[in-house]
Amino acid sequence: EIVLTQSPGTLSLSPGERATLSCRASQSVTSRFLAWYQQRPGQPPRLLIYAASSRATGIPDRFSGSGSETDFTLTISRLEPEDFAVYFCQQYDGSPYTFGQGTRLEI
Amino acid sequence: EVQLVDSGGGLVQPGRSLRLSCTTSGFTFRHYAMSWVRQAPGKGLEWIGYITSTTYGATTQYAASVKGRFTISRDDSKNISYLQMDSLKTEDTAVYYCTRNLSPGGNYYYFDYWGQGTLVTVSS
Repeated sequence: EIVLTQSPGTLSLSPGERATLSCRASQSVTSRFLAWYQQRPGQPPRLLIYAASSRATGIPDRFSGSGSETDFTLTISRLEPEDFAVYFCQQYDGSPYTFGQGTRLEI
Repeated sequence: EVQLVDSGGGLVQPGRSLRLSCTTSGFTFRHYAMSWVRQAPGKGLEWIGYITSTTYGATTQYAASVKGRFTISRDDSKNISYLQMDSLKTEDTAVYYCTRNLSPGGNYYYFDYWGQGTLVTVSS
């Protein structure tokens, strides 16, 4: 089973700033099979990024993903008020699919 | 518009059973694999299982934590996915989400649409 570790646990920033979230895998995620999700309070997760760097439909271009093998990054270039939420990474390089524990992005 | 509506949650005693439903619309259900993902209160996300499309045999795969107790099925005539949960434990308490699966090919799934979730509380 691939274990994903996200850092930091909590990130405190202001609107307009740049956010950099990390996701580290316990073993190589082949073919960059990594996704990122955003979860706002009381809402289900929303797909942001798949294949490490492809934006899902309707996701603003201030969200970008990068990385390969064991190190992946989600970057939000200029934070909007609605971006303050919890972010999860997920690997889909075979079952069981696993999630990171989440990074809380707070104002 | 793609919609997934989760239902069937509630309070149940340990050792008992419960069946959740995921009613879908807005897409060709029979073409897609589906998963269930849960989230314990205040915790992270845990994938618990998937079912492939009927074209690929409606095969299932489960996380170790639920294997042998939970069963995923589908009814393509009604566009519904089910999660049958037996021998429930207190640690199964969570919000349960159904998801639509996407894949670049093969059983490599990420989740593009999610239901709103249904809360299952296992307690005596």
